Amino acid sequence: EVQQVQSGAEVKKPGESLKISCKGSGYSFTSYWIGWVRQMPGKGLEWMGIIYPGDSDTRYSPSFQGQVTISADKSIGIVYLQWSSLKASDTAMYYCARLFPYGDLSYYFDYWGQGTLVTVSS
Amino acid sequence: QSVLTQPPSVSGAPGQRVTISCTGSSSNIGAGYDVHWYQQLPGTAPKLLIYGNTNRPSGVPDRFSGSKSGTSASLAITGLQAEDEADYYCQSYDSSLSALVVFGGGTKLTVL
Repeated sequence: EVQQVQSGAEVKKPGESLKISCKGSGYSFTSYWIGWVRQMPGKGLEWMGIIYPGDSDTRYSPSFQGQVTISADKSIGIVYLQWSSLKASDTAMYYCARLFPYGDLSYYFDYWGQGTLVTVSS
Repeated sequence: QSVLTQPPSVSGAPGQRVTISCTGSSSNIGAGYDVHWYQQLPGTAPKLLIYGNTNRPSGVPDRFSGSKSGTSASLAITGLQAEDEADYYCQSYDSSLSALVVFGGGTKLTVL
């Protein structure tokens, strides 16, 4: 069974660093892109970036470039999303999901993690 | 501001048919790129509903259907049920942004 299992909820203060994780199982982890999606309270889905665990090729949405870092450890099947200095505006639910290659420049997220709630408050 | 535009909300009575539009431009839907749809039930992660414009993953009822024409796509739900009350998002590729993934702003479906 294909699964993406995310790390638990976090409560942090502004300025602190954070790294959340997403573990893939039930498929060839190094053969699919994994993406991160932000959902701020009461708002829609925003694509943050993707990584190919096979070679750690990473692409960021322009909106998130320089704001977060996406990485992967293919030896243990985990993808990470990290911040060096959190802001209150980073408070959101963060989802990881597997990106399935459907066709030429056509991809969709077929398996989603359960989400990690990040709360940043002083 | 999303590059794919959806109505913020739609509603319908049980048993009725509703449609949700997803309007793009010549750099995404109009360029022929596929549209995919997700359903997000309250308090849960999004779930793939339609892929490749018209295809349903295994387990998705045939009450849900997708279509695409020109610079727009639509999700239709027939025989509306209370359990369909959720947020719906379209997703595609955009060449001007070189973005593999762009989402619509989402549509809240209310079953009256």
